[in-house]
Amino acid sequence: DGGITQSPKYLFRKEGQNVTLSCEQNLNHDAMYWYRQDPGQGLRLIYYSQIVNDFQKGDIAEGYSVSREKKESFPLTVTSAQKNPTAFYLCASSIGAGAAGEQFFGPGTRLTVL
Amino acid sequence: SQQGEEDPQALSIQEGENATMNCSYKTSINNLQWYRQNSGRGLVHLILIRSNEREKHSGRLRVTLDTSKKSSSLLITASRAADTASYFCATYGNNNDMRFGAGTRLTVKP
Repeated sequence: DGGITQSPKYLFRKEGQNVTLSCEQNLNHDAMYWYRQDPGQGLRLIYYSQIVNDFQKGDIAEGYSVSREKKESFPLTVTSAQKNPTAFYLCASSIGAGAAGEQFFGPGTRLTVL
Repeated sequence: SQQGEEDPQALSIQEGENATMNCSYKTSINNLQWYRQNSGRGLVHLILIRSNEREKHSGRLRVTLDTSKKSSSLLITASRAADTASYFCATYGNNNDMRFGAGTRLTVKP
């Protein structure tokens, strides 16, 4: 999956708990992205980061938070404020600003709220 | 909101036939890309077409782009059972953001 790893593959959460999804890349890419995918649907952009210590909200950022302290890491926290978090979460990276934007995806994390 | 909308939502064809998927989008773009997703997996980049290009080929793939109509099409020729997957168009904007459509689920019957 192009040098991007996501962990865990499956994650179960009780209502009211925060959980953090890991995304690491060794491609030396500046830009990283988080998407949510619901069954039979396309990808919706949660957050993206173009450079270390900077990130922007996507279309569905409410109930999620991110950090970008290192170039290779872009963890996503699903907070208790996210009312319907059960979904498939995909992380991606790309070279960054000035490039064409081809994205490389991780294998995904499937989050289920019990 | 999602930028691209694919048509049809689902497509079923016989091996050897051609498959055509269409994508429409709403705002100005830097480029448009097509991705493939096998069930439960991450997406894989297939082909990219820049906003100043009209047609691009890669193997059995042909992509067209009409910026005046804000639409693109992906043609897969001589389809194989292994082409069975979901296909997504994605628009890359001037803010380095990417927006995906809802996808077309392609089934190629052997």
